[in-house]
Amino acid sequence: QKEVEQDPGPLSVPEGAIVSLNCTYSNSAFQYFMWYRQYSRKGPELLMYTYSSGNKEDGRFTAQVDKSSKYISLFIRDSQPSDSATYLCAMSKRGGANNLFFGTGTRLTVIP
Amino acid sequence: NAGVTQTPKFRILKIGQSMTLQCTQDMNHNYMYWYRQDPGMGLKLIYYSVGAGITDKGEVPNGYNVSRSTTEDFPLRLELAAPSQTSVYFCASTGSSGPQHFGDGTRLSIL
Repeated sequence: QKEVEQDPGPLSVPEGAIVSLNCTYSNSAFQYFMWYRQYSRKGPELLMYTYSSGNKEDGRFTAQVDKSSKYISLFIRDSQPSDSATYLCAMSKRGGANNLFFGTGTRLTVIP
Repeated sequence: NAGVTQTPKFRILKIGQSMTLQCTQDMNHNYMYWYRQDPGMGLKLIYYSVGAGITDKGEVPNGYNVSRSTTEDFPLRLELAAPSQTSVYFCASTGSSGPQHFGDGTRLSIL
């Protein structure tokens, strides 16, 4: 069993839709949770960085962590064509300089 | 700010050739990482470094070597290139707290 599972998609939605991206994990030691956005032929770009359970909002993006279910989500409101990218979840046991465990990424396309 | 810079962006190698992938960061981060990204496989950690002169193996180190002589630079070397090393390679860095920041990658094909 992989430590981090993520549906690879692809996922296509119309512009303005609410997008839900999810990851599950098996190791209860994970405490820090991240979402990265990766455009084609670019490196991963950090979107959200959260600690433990709860919600964090930043503009159109909301990250949710449910440690009891070992489940994390990223919601994108009012999705835009510029949101079309691959979204990677990542997590670590400790903050800062600690090895990250990545999901395989979900490819999202927002259709104008 | 340049952040994490990787060179070259693209390279084609023949089997058995060697090369060095360069990575430099200007954020004075102590921690640096090398990953490879294969289709449908996510990012796998190859090597990492917690500071100048200190390196350690990640999940998939075989066929690679690294060195860390300065805080800024963390080159990755392939000694005998094999087709299985065809991939996209990413370098990342972080300080003592906070998330990792990535470069834009090197696309390597071995034929």
